[in-house]
Amino acid sequence: KNEVEQSPQNLTAQEGEFITINCSYSVGISALHWLQQHPGGGIVSLFMLSSGKKKHGRLIATINIQEKHSSLHITASHPRDSAVYICAAGNTDKLIFGTGTRLQVFP
Amino acid sequence: DAGVTQSPTHLIKTRGQQVTLRCSPKSGHDTVSWYQQALGQGPQFIFQYYEEEERQRGNFPDRFSGHQFPNYSSELNVNALLLGDSALYLCASSLVGRASYNEQFFGPGTRLTVL
Repeated sequence: KNEVEQSPQNLTAQEGEFITINCSYSVGISALHWLQQHPGGGIVSLFMLSSGKKKHGRLIATINIQEKHSSLHITASHPRDSAVYICAAGNTDKLIFGTGTRLQVFP
Repeated sequence: DAGVTQSPTHLIKTRGQQVTLRCSPKSGHDTVSWYQQALGQGPQFIFQYYEEEERQRGNFPDRFSGHQFPNYSSELNVNALLLGDSALYLCASSLVGRASYNEQFFGPGTRLTVL
C-alpha cells in the first residue's frame, strides 16, 4: 500500500463544475502539499498546510490531521485548470508523493 | 529573481552510459532535493543535499550519486544507465531553517531517455 493515496486517478468535468480531489496518507507529516503539474512536466506548489483550511482564488485545500486526510477543491472549474494534481506528504524535509489525479475540464 | 533552473532540458543516452544533470537553486536557498518521476507515476525521492553533503537518501542504488557545490548548485550523476532510468528528473530547492519543514520550489525538470 502506498504511503500517500489519491482519488480519483482520473477526473473529467464540464466547465463550471465543482471538483474535489482526495488524499489519504499513512506517514507522519510536517506538512501536506498540493502541487500542480502541466504536460510539460514543471511542478508548481499550490498549497502547503499542516492544519485547517487554505484558500487561494478558486482553489481550497483542507486537512484533517486526526483522519490523515486532505482534500483539494476547485470551484467554478475552467479548461485552464486541466493538469495533474499531486498530493505530497512532507516528512523530515523530503516529500512523499501520491501518483496524482489527472483532471480534464471541457468547455 | 530566478527560480530553480535545470539543465539540460532533454537528454538521450544509451544503456551503460553515464549522465550528469545540473540544478541551480532558487536565490537564497541552500538545500537541493532530487526526484525521479517515471511516466504516469508520482515523483520518487532520490536524495537531498545540504552544506555540500548528502543529508537524506531514498531507495535508489549507488549508481545514483550527487554533489553540491559551495554556491549551492547541485549535480545528479547516474552511472551504468538502464532502460528503466528513463524518466523526468526534478530538482527542488528549499531553505533550511529552524522550522521543522520548509516549502520546496521545483525546477522544470530534465527528461532523460535511455535507449
